[in-house]
Amino acid sequence: NAGVTQTPKFQVLKTGQSMTLQCAQDMNHNSMYWYRQDPGMGLRLIYYSASEGTTDKGEVPNGYNVSRLNKREFSLRLESAAPSQTSVYFCASSEQGLGTEAFFGQGTRLTVV
Amino acid sequence: KNQVEQSPQSLIILEGKNCTLQCNYTVSPFSNLRWYKQDTGRGPVSLTIMTFSENTKSNGRYTATLDADTKQSSLHITASQLSDSASYICVVSPQNTGGFKTIFGAGTRLFVKA
Repeated sequence: NAGVTQTPKFQVLKTGQSMTLQCAQDMNHNSMYWYRQDPGMGLRLIYYSASEGTTDKGEVPNGYNVSRLNKREFSLRLESAAPSQTSVYFCASSEQGLGTEAFFGQGTRLTVV
Repeated sequence: KNQVEQSPQSLIILEGKNCTLQCNYTVSPFSNLRWYKQDTGRGPVSLTIMTFSENTKSNGRYTATLDADTKQSSLHITASQLSDSASYICVVSPQNTGGFKTIFGAGTRLFVKA
C-alpha cells in the first residue's frame, strides 16, 4: 500500500527560486494537509483542504500557495523561496477532520540557500 | 493561546526498561488527544487516540493515559525495544476546529540502548 506519497524527498533551492511539492494519496481520503517541521518545534499547519475543491489557511500560510488538484492530489508551491522556509515538509491525509487518523507521507527535506 | 508541551525533551533508557513520557496541554475544550511515533526520516504514525471522556488506551506495549481535570496525558512504554527509539508526539484537536487544526507538541526524543 502506497498511502501518502510525496515528491521530491530532498531539494536545495536558491533564494528567490520557486518550486512545487507534490503529494498524492491512494486511500480515498477527503481531507489533506501540508505541515512543516522545524527543530525543537511541533508540526505546524501551513494549509489544509477539508474536501476536494476547498482549501484553507493554517497557522503559517505566508509564502505558500496550495492547489487541491483532485481528490488524490494536493500540491504546495513556494513562489519565491526564502531561507526561513528551510524545513521538512509533510503532507498528510485523513478520511475527514474530527476524530479521524491522519496518515503522513515520508517528508520533503527542503534547504533554501 | 492553545499549547501542547511535552517532557522530557529527550530520554535515554536501556533495552527492556519501562519509561513514561509526559504531555501537558492548555487546549480546552478538546475533542481528542493522540500520541504519534515518528521514526527518524519518516512521517508520524498514530499510536493511540483518546476522547476527552476516556482515561486510558493501550496499543501493545504502549499505554496512554489522560487526566482531563489536570490537562495531562502520559505515554507509558513497557519492556522497551531498540525499535522504540523514535520521537513521540502528543497531538490535541480543539473542539471548535472540526479536527483540521490540530496542535502538535514538539515531541520527546527516546533513545533505547542495548
